[in-house]
Amino acid sequence: DTAVSQTPKYLVTQMGNDKSIKCEQNLGHDTMYWYKQDSKKFLKIMFSYNNKELIINETVPNRFSPKSPDKAHLNLHINSLELGDSAVYFCASSLTLKDPLEKLFFGSGTQLSVL
Amino acid sequence: QKEVEQDPGPLSVPEGAIVSLNCTYSNSAFQYFMWYRQYSRKGPELLMYTYSSGNKEDGRFTAQVDKSSKYISLFIRDSQPSDSATYLCALNSGGYQKVTFGTGTKLQVIP
Repeated sequence: DTAVSQTPKYLVTQMGNDKSIKCEQNLGHDTMYWYKQDSKKFLKIMFSYNNKELIINETVPNRFSPKSPDKAHLNLHINSLELGDSAVYFCASSLTLKDPLEKLFFGSGTQLSVL
Repeated sequence: QKEVEQDPGPLSVPEGAIVSLNCTYSNSAFQYFMWYRQYSRKGPELLMYTYSSGNKEDGRFTAQVDKSSKYISLFIRDSQPSDSATYLCALNSGGYQKVTFGTGTKLQVIP
């Protein structure tokens, strides 16, 4: 049983298109995240949600819109894709929000390539 | 200057060697320190965490923190080919799980 699963695993698309990435966790966690990892392996937080409420929004362009229909799901919709959006996007979850040492559980990532 | 600096490597060592992986940071607000391991085409997984200066040991792994120098290290004893991965340091100033990651050091342990 995969704890944090995200789909699709690979996404190849043209500039200007709109695409979505879905994430689900079966751990019963309250908090979910989207991270972006660029080609140099730099992993940076984009958003965090706690019980469907947006907590962190890290200077991400408006073209990126997260949606959390319930605390087990966090989707990421990207409008008008640009070349610079090419990266690996990781979904993650943690039991709670406030423990700074709380373990993050990551999905396997979605490799997005914008042509 | 990035908040967290980490040598990207790659670092190649023979099996059985002691490996030292390091990060430096500039923000003294960081009080919580973690190491994540990331295998190729997988998400990172937590290896160790600590919040105090000094050493913390877990099997073959030792995490070391020197807050006065803003320097953290991960030591791997008796390294194995299965340790081949990218190791990311991760730091948090506290609250709201806003973790700042280093860029990772790619380690290859050669049999």
